[in-house]
Amino acid sequence: DAGVIQSPRHEVTEMGQEVTLRCKPISGHDYLFWYRQTMMRGLELLIYFNNNVPIDDSGMPEDRFSAKMPNASFSTLKIQPSEPRDSAVYFCASSWNGREAFFGQGTRLTVV
Amino acid sequence: GQQLNQSPQSMFIQEGEDVSMNCTSSSIFNTWLWYKQDPGEGPVLLIALYKAGELTSNGRLTAQFGITRKDSFLNISASIPSDVGIYFCAGPPTDSWGKLQFGAGTQVVVTP
Repeated sequence: DAGVIQSPRHEVTEMGQEVTLRCKPISGHDYLFWYRQTMMRGLELLIYFNNNVPIDDSGMPEDRFSAKMPNASFSTLKIQPSEPRDSAVYFCASSWNGREAFFGQGTRLTVV
Repeated sequence: GQQLNQSPQSMFIQEGEDVSMNCTSSSIFNTWLWYKQDPGEGPVLLIALYKAGELTSNGRLTAQFGITRKDSFLNISASIPSDVGIYFCAGPPTDSWGKLQFGAGTQVVVTP
């Protein structure tokens, strides 16, 4: 299996623009997680899905953030409008049992 | 809220030395996970523990699930340069299946 695939690897955008991050989980994994990693706050769980349904989005920082999972093989994390403080590395991970999570390589987002 | 306390924050060791780190939680965990992250990459799962008292090895890595179910330990024996990286403990609290949370990480630096 190719593992969790994220795109793009790097994104630079201007403040106020919409940003969409994409993720393809490992085939057969029923859980999908979105994390944000910063030096100050470490790895933060933003939201996770089970069988394409959002289960817990309490980590989503604000209404500017939204995540969808239209099918078992695709998920998006959208930030609209983006702000400089959103700059971070965003990881997608998937799991077959809701515990052992396998991570993608991340998207490094820079908002200027 | 739930918090994982990981220590030490960083370690500077010589090649060939053993490394020990631990993680504690204020809640009971049914699963403890240990990850390693290299620069520019996503965290990679090293060891998963599912039973209190369980001791599991993966090569030179050994991890233990604490008897109280509120702590876990990771040991690296005979360290080598490629052990450099950040090691994270993680787990879902028993009352929040799937809400996989991470400690702040232990930075390991190995000098020749």
